[in-house]
Amino acid sequence: DAGVTQSPTHLIKTRGQQVTLRCSPISGHKSVSWYQQVLGQGPQFIFQYYEKEERGRGNFPDRFSARQFPNYSSELNVNALLLGDSALYLCASSRGLEERYEQYFGPGTRLTVT
Amino acid sequence: AQKVTQAQTEISVVEKEDVTLDCVYETRDTTYYLFWYKQPPSGELVFLIRRNSFDEQNEISGRYSWNFQKSTSSFNFTITASQVVDSAVYFCALSSLNAGGTSYGKLTFGQGTILTVHP
Repeated sequence: DAGVTQSPTHLIKTRGQQVTLRCSPISGHKSVSWYQQVLGQGPQFIFQYYEKEERGRGNFPDRFSARQFPNYSSELNVNALLLGDSALYLCASSRGLEERYEQYFGPGTRLTVT
Repeated sequence: AQKVTQAQTEISVVEKEDVTLDCVYETRDTTYYLFWYKQPPSGELVFLIRRNSFDEQNEISGRYSWNFQKSTSSFNFTITASQVVDSAVYFCALSSLNAGGTSYGKLTFGQGTILTVHP
């Protein structure tokens, strides 16, 4: 089975622009989570979606938003980009919401804001 | 609040040496899960192990072993006879059932330990 896929792989944007990142979960997984990993740090939780509803949100500004589609794929949107948004954005999927389910991560999208 | 601390920023060993990566966690919840992930240079986080708070048995998988001690809130990871392919960043993470009895599977990660295994 295919793993979690993310697109694009790399992205370069200018301050103030908007960006959309995409994620397709493993087949059969209904939960998608997004994490931001700044260079040299551990991933930070941004959002979790389950059955198209937001079920968890981390400490990120309203410039960050996401949605989940009926096929369980997801998009992460970031508006008014700042230099500090430069990071690896990781998507993870799991079978369900509960903490007992392993989260499987995609290869990430590396966003550079100049 | 939850917190995971990996005190070792970088570790360098020579192939075939044993190496232990430390992880200390903080949570007020009585039910929680601990994880270890490996991040090779490609960037993708690879799941290694999950352990729940009620199971303090140590686990061994090939050259990998994990020591969970609730008394010291630690979940350490040992690689025996390290190999060059073990070179990566290793993350310890925590997910817990909050006081409301529901959980959204949020993972709280440590800062990571960069492991370099030299031939």
